[in-house]
Amino acid sequence: ETGVTQTPRHLVMGMTNKKSLKCEQHLGHNAMYWYKQSAKKPLELMFVYSLEERVENNSVPSRFSPECPNSSHLFLHLHTLQPEDSALYLCASSQARTNTEAFFGQGTRLTVV
Amino acid sequence: AQKVTQAQTEISVVEKEDVTLDCVYETRDTTYYLFWYKQPPSGELVFLIRRNSFDEQNEISGRYSWNFQKSTSSFNFTITASQVVDSAVYFCALISNFGNEKLTFGTGTRLTIIP
Repeated sequence: ETGVTQTPRHLVMGMTNKKSLKCEQHLGHNAMYWYKQSAKKPLELMFVYSLEERVENNSVPSRFSPECPNSSHLFLHLHTLQPEDSALYLCASSQARTNTEAFFGQGTRLTVV
Repeated sequence: AQKVTQAQTEISVVEKEDVTLDCVYETRDTTYYLFWYKQPPSGELVFLIRRNSFDEQNEISGRYSWNFQKSTSSFNFTITASQVVDSAVYFCALISNFGNEKLTFGTGTRLTIIP
């Protein structure tokens, strides 16, 4: 069993759909993250949760809505997305919020049509 | 502000050759941490190494070695006797105490090992 699990692995959605990405970590970590990986761009940090509290939101459009119900689970709720939102969305967790290595899930490949 | 530059977008080498992936970073902080991650085709980023700014000792782990030089702000990664399984995208990253403590990634280097 991998430390960080993301579902689904692939998702195709229309611009009017609502969907959610799920992330679960089995490492006992206190911090969780959402990253966006687009082609030929650096990984973009979207949201940071530390001890279930959102501590960072990097100017992400409101069509992306994170939720962290407990320290092991992280969701990314999606609605009315645009084609440019198509990307690989990676979840990560770390022991603490700073100075520690992050462990990543395999990502959800999202295509918006 | 902090920045990580991986100037090599793609590298191809023949199996068993050695290959070095370059990483140059910028930060105004004196305390920072550098990382290398490997992203195989399956998608997840696999942590390889973390190095803090006060430890300039080079590190070797099997076929992997890392050369950290503060004087040139570089943290290069060498794979010796490369294997096909080393084919992946490799990311260098930086986090600092005063750079909002965000993990800043480079754009990655796609390494292809030719059998």
